[in-house]
Amino acid sequence: QVQLVESGGGVVQPGRSLRLSCAASGFTFSNYALHWVRQTPGKGLEWVAVTSYDGSNQYYADSVKGRFTISRDNSRNTLYLQMNSLRPEDTAVYYCTRDRVDMITFGGLIVYDFDYWGQGTLITVSS
Amino acid sequence: QSALTQPPSASGSPGQSVTISCTGARSDVGTYNYVSWYQQHPGKAPKVMIYEVSKRPSGVPDRFSGSRSGNTASLTVSGLQAEDEADYYCSSFAGNNNLIFGGGTHLTVL
Repeated sequence: QVQLVESGGGVVQPGRSLRLSCAASGFTFSNYALHWVRQTPGKGLEWVAVTSYDGSNQYYADSVKGRFTISRDNSRNTLYLQMNSLRPEDTAVYYCTRDRVDMITFGGLIVYDFDYWGQGTLITVSS
Repeated sequence: QSALTQPPSASGSPGQSVTISCTGARSDVGTYNYVSWYQQHPGKAPKVMIYEVSKRPSGVPDRFSGSRSGNTASLTVSGLQAEDEADYYCSSFAGNNNLIFGGGTHLTVL
């Protein structure tokens, strides 16, 4: 079955960096675009970033553009999120999610909806 | 891009129907068919209930349905059951490789 398992969360001081990982299994990793979505404590969801199935394209929310970098290693079935210049408002649970459509059927299309989610990893940015 | 607007709460008795609205703009909900609804129970990851406005993934009960009128999407839960009590979030593609979510609606089954 499809599994997405995030890791790398923790407490970090403002201005510092952190890298999240998401280990995937149960599907052909290189066929799907993957996203990071975050949820602030007690609040709503915010889309963060997406990488295309082959890693050739990345797109970001304005709130993280220039500070966060999404990447993937298709040989390791792993998704990453490098977070630099962290701010208190980046405090959230970060979810790794799979885009619903695969590149075999839909080419490089990204539909921005998610059929599988990881369990999430909590990042707390605080001094 | 502003978040989509959802009512903070909704409620209904078992067996009743409840509809949750999600209001956006012509540039997102009103234009793109990539409108989705997610259900989230406490401490759990969200789960997709509706995608592409009105399509239901396999395994989601047909009590859940989605629709759209103009810039407003709606999720209707018919025949409410206790396990439907959860937070519900809508999302819409907003063009320019951007996705926006609603603020969420807590559904209470009375």
